[in-house]
Amino acid sequence: RKEVEQDPGPFNVPEGATVAFNCTYSNSASQSFFWYRQDCRKEPKLLMSVYSSGNEDGRFTAQLNRASQYISLLIRDSKLSDSATYLCVVSPSGYSTLTFGKGTMLLVSP
Amino acid sequence: DADVTQTPRNRITKTGKRIMLECSQTKGHDRMYWYRQDPGLGLQLIYYSFDVKDINKGEISDGYSVSRQAQAKFSLSLESAIPNQTALYFCATSVRRGAFYEQFFGPGTRLTVL
Repeated sequence: RKEVEQDPGPFNVPEGATVAFNCTYSNSASQSFFWYRQDCRKEPKLLMSVYSSGNEDGRFTAQLNRASQYISLLIRDSKLSDSATYLCVVSPSGYSTLTFGKGTMLLVSP
Repeated sequence: DADVTQTPRNRITKTGKRIMLECSQTKGHDRMYWYRQDPGLGLQLIYYSFDVKDINKGEISDGYSVSRQAQAKFSLSLESAIPNQTALYFCATSVRRGAFYEQFFGPGTRLTVL
C-alpha cells in the first residue's frame, strides 16, 4: 500500500462549484498533515496545514480523520485560479521529512 | 518566505556525464532538501540536511550525492547521469512554524539525460 494515496483526477468543475478531495495515508504514526498546491511545471507551495479539529481558510476547509487515516480538502465557490494540482502531504512528526501524495488535478472552467 | 534559487533551470546532458545542480537560499534556514518529481508521480526525497554537518539519505539516493557547502548552499550531483534520472528536481528549505516545519521550494531544475 502506498504511503499517501490520492485520486489523480482530473476533477473538472465549473466556476462556483464546490469540490472535495480525499487522501488516505498508511502510517498511523503520522503527526502532521498538509495540503500543498502545485501549478503546472511550478514549485509546490503550502496551501494549509490540517489540524485534528479541522480548519478553514477562506474558501478552503481541511479535515482530518485519524481513525480512518484520511484527510480531506473542500473548496467552495471554485475560481478559475484554483486550477492546479493539490498534493496531500504527511509527516511522522512535526520535525521530520515529508511524504507526498501524487496529487489530484483540479480544472475549473468558465 | 525563503528565497530559494536553483541553477541551472534547464539542462540537457548525455548519459555518463557528471552533473551538478545548485541550490541557494537567503533566509537563513538550517534545513534543506532535494526532491525529484517524475510525470504523474509525487515528489520523492533524494537527500536532506538539517544543518551544515548533517547529511541524510532520502528514499531514492542511489546514483546521487550531495554537498552542503554552507548553510545557504546545498548541491546535488549526478556522478554518471543515466536516462531514468530525467526529471524535475526541486530544492527546498524549511522553517519551524509552531509544531511543524513548513517547506519552501525553489523553482525547479528540468534535467534531461539523453
